[in-house]
Amino acid sequence: AQSVTQPDIHITVSEGASLELRCNYSYGATPYLFWYVQSPGQGLQLLLKYFSGDTLVQGIKGFEAEFKRSQSSFNLRKPSVHWSDAAEHFCAVRGNTPLVFGKGTRLSVIA
Amino acid sequence: DTAVSQTPKYLVTQMGNDKSIKCEQNLGHDTMYWYKQDSKKFLKIMFSYNNKELIINETVPNRFSPKSPDKAHLNLHINSLELGDSAVYFCASSQDPREGGMNTQYFGPGTRLTVL
Repeated sequence: AQSVTQPDIHITVSEGASLELRCNYSYGATPYLFWYVQSPGQGLQLLLKYFSGDTLVQGIKGFEAEFKRSQSSFNLRKPSVHWSDAAEHFCAVRGNTPLVFGKGTRLSVIA
Repeated sequence: DTAVSQTPKYLVTQMGNDKSIKCEQNLGHDTMYWYKQDSKKFLKIMFSYNNKELIINETVPNRFSPKSPDKAHLNLHINSLELGDSAVYFCASSQDPREGGMNTQYFGPGTRLTVL
């Protein structure tokens, strides 16, 4: 079965600074990979997804993620963070079982 | 034009009561899901239905019973509510994951259940 690890529980960045949220997965083959964002009191919104093709995928709100098979990683990046990006970010993986979520990384943005 | 909707958004009830949460999707998907998000924000799947047929049933107490009147609806009924049932419950939908392909799941806004 697949699993997901998000090593950082909470990250704080300054508005305008760059951001990288880490995600590592465990699965024998190439899984389907997703990043979702949950704003306070809101549901989950899909930021981006990857299965095959170009390993750098672009998503909404200026986010991108890079799949690195050798590191079993799918890190989320944004070159310039906006205050509205403050939210809980979840990495998820689907292999041969249902979608499995990481425990999330809470992003705080300071002025 | 809401894709996945849930009602109610908030539900506060007493221990021992029976309650239902409704979910509807207008995406034309044939698979729907229920997830539970605990107080630490951990999301875990509870059930999955495809065309009104249960295809995933994780280790969830049998007090929880999903009901799917048609493929656009998946309701969650909970009997004899307990304090530990307090959580946010999310509904989601996708194309049939067993057919292969990305089958991205789209989530509803969540229902915050508080059991007193």
